[in-house]
Amino acid sequence: QKEVEQNSGPLSVPEGAIASLNCTYSDRGSQSFFWYRQYSGKSPELIMFIYSNGDKEDGRFTAQLNKASQYVSLLIRDSQPSDSATYLCAVNTDKLIFGTGTRLQVFP
Amino acid sequence: GAVVSQHPSRVICKSGTSVKIECRSLDFQATTMFWYRQFPKQSLMLMATSNEGSKATYEQGVEKDKFLINHASLTLSTLTVTSAHPEDSSFYICSAPSGGDTDTQYFGPGTRLTVL
Repeated sequence: QKEVEQNSGPLSVPEGAIASLNCTYSDRGSQSFFWYRQYSGKSPELIMFIYSNGDKEDGRFTAQLNKASQYVSLLIRDSQPSDSATYLCAVNTDKLIFGTGTRLQVFP
Repeated sequence: GAVVSQHPSRVICKSGTSVKIECRSLDFQATTMFWYRQFPKQSLMLMATSNEGSKATYEQGVEKDKFLINHASLTLSTLTVTSAHPEDSSFYICSAPSGGDTDTQYFGPGTRLTVL
């Protein structure tokens, strides 16, 4: 059973803080990794993808991948209330497998 | 990013009727599209892979005779929920890979189906 695990949260952080979202996956053959943001009642919106070990930065977002530990994370710097959403980790092997998502709450 | 549209965004129907949902890639061609279903407070579950010009590939547990998929062109896939029942009420979302050197999938806005 190929699995992607995320803590369901909610993760509550104050405005301006760094939010750290974590994800583990079971299939060592996974090659590509994605973070999506999903607002309530809406479809997922791509934030970032990462293929190689290490960090990848895009604006306030940094994705981190450690294939040896089968771990991928998303850091959100200077968190804003508008970042409050569910963040879905997705891992691609032969198909895209989603985690259940972590609900992030950023309070003013 | 690439744009994927879905129609309708919301549909309410009576039990026993059929509902068709359209998924279109607006600015790129997609030989493959994916159909997901999401129940409240749950993650996305892949239902089937829609293949242009050939039969769809269904995930285990998904009834192919109930969820009919047609990928008639490189920009359009349709999902028809036949003889819908209240338990089919869900959020149906399609996606398509944008192509190029990544396998990034872009999602349509989703269709909220309510079966009375």
